[in-house]
Amino acid sequence: AQKITQTQPGMFVQEKEAVTLDCTYDTSDPSYGLFWYKQPSSGEMIFLIYQGSYDQQNATEGRYSLNFQKARKSANLVISASQLGDSAMYFCAMRAPSGSARQLTFGSGTQLTVLP
Amino acid sequence: GAVVSQHPSRVICKSGTSVKIECRSLDFQATTMFWYRQFPKKSLMLMATSNEGSKATYEQGVEKDKFLINHASLTLSTLTVTSAHPEDSSFYICSVGAHTDTQYFGPGTRLTVL
Repeated sequence: AQKITQTQPGMFVQEKEAVTLDCTYDTSDPSYGLFWYKQPSSGEMIFLIYQGSYDQQNATEGRYSLNFQKARKSANLVISASQLGDSAMYFCAMRAPSGSARQLTFGSGTQLTVLP
Repeated sequence: GAVVSQHPSRVICKSGTSVKIECRSLDFQATTMFWYRQFPKKSLMLMATSNEGSKATYEQGVEKDKFLINHASLTLSTLTVTSAHPEDSSFYICSVGAHTDTQYFGPGTRLTVL
């Protein structure tokens, strides 16, 4: 079974600073995908970044980067130059093993607050 | 990525009534859609996988007779909460699996049962 762990229920960061949101995962499948989603107070889930288990390089998307450490089974999200609009709930998720219709397992989330 | 809509965005109903929530994939033909439920300040919990033209696959503990799913076309899946009760009040959100592994989510439906 897959498991995603986010140990930080809440994080604070000063505007314009960088912040790292932690995510560890557990799976016995060699092929998997890791995702980060942002959920503002409106409720919509916004896709941020994806990392495949066989990807050689860490994924980056604008101000978002994923610090993928396969041996440690961690996939931390780094947000650079935080903005007030980054305040939201952030979820780490993992795709179920191949052949299972691409279901996602979510972590418990981290509430990020960006301070002015 | 795929654009997904949900309707309604918010619904309030009386206990005992049924509520239908629509999930539409606007720019992508989705053979598979997913329905999630989220309680306040909690994570998303997968309820079921909706398969176009066939029966939905429900997660353990989810009552299929309570949460009816119909995926009649490649762009529309519906979730009907039958005989809703206050404990069914929640945020329901659907997603579409696009060409890659990424899932794109609808804006969600907030259900309140009085």
